[in-house]
Amino acid sequence: DIVMTQSPDSLAVSLGERATINCKSSQSVLYSSNNKNYLAWYQQKPGQPPNLLIYWASTRESGVPDRFSGSGSGTDFTLTISSLQAEDVAVYYCQQYYSTPYTFGQGTKLAIK
Amino acid sequence: EVQLVESGGGLVQPGGSLRLSCAASGFTFSTYWMHWVRQAPGEGLVWVSRISSDGSSTTYADSVKGRFTISRDNAKSTLYLQMNSLRAEDTAVYYCARRTIAAAGGGFDYWGQGTLVTVSS
Repeated sequence: DIVMTQSPDSLAVSLGERATINCKSSQSVLYSSNNKNYLAWYQQKPGQPPNLLIYWASTRESGVPDRFSGSGSGTDFTLTISSLQAEDVAVYYCQQYYSTPYTFGQGTKLAIK
Repeated sequence: EVQLVESGGGLVQPGGSLRLSCAASGFTFSTYWMHWVRQAPGEGLVWVSRISSDGSSTTYADSVKGRFTISRDNAKSTLYLQMNSLRAEDTAVYYCARRTIAAAGGGFDYWGQGTLVTVSS
């Protein structure tokens, strides 16, 4: 199984500042035939299901604000929120969908400082 | 509007069974692979199972293999999860989720609100 490890476990950032969450996979999730990283980022607010933010490691899902961006390739990935808004308080998960089981990171809880 | 609505959760004793349903609407259900993901109280997301668009291929997490069965009825646009030999560690909110087609990225773009399964005596 591919193990996904996020850092940090929790993060407090001031409004308007940048937030950065890291995700590392135990093996590459880069699919060589199409040069796509099978890595997604989700946001989950309390009492709600997860919401897809980013797929293919860096492609923003339709309707997601452009302050959210994803980067990285192979085994190391980053989710960046360029200017934190109050509504961004949530838990963020990375997920690999390269091979089953489609494992998630343990989550990063983002709060306002 | 795409909707996924789970039902069937509840309180069950260890060793018991439950059948979860996920009613889909607003899209052509028969063209999408579907998944179950669970989340224990206060914990993270755990992938449970998937089924191909036509139901011919299924995959399970090791933790549920041999106890859970995923299935679908494309005529009814409904996904199922039959859960047998339930254990306390199966206690969780169970979400059904749609995986986008490969060309659209492959992430899980729609999720239900979840149904709570509690395994306790």
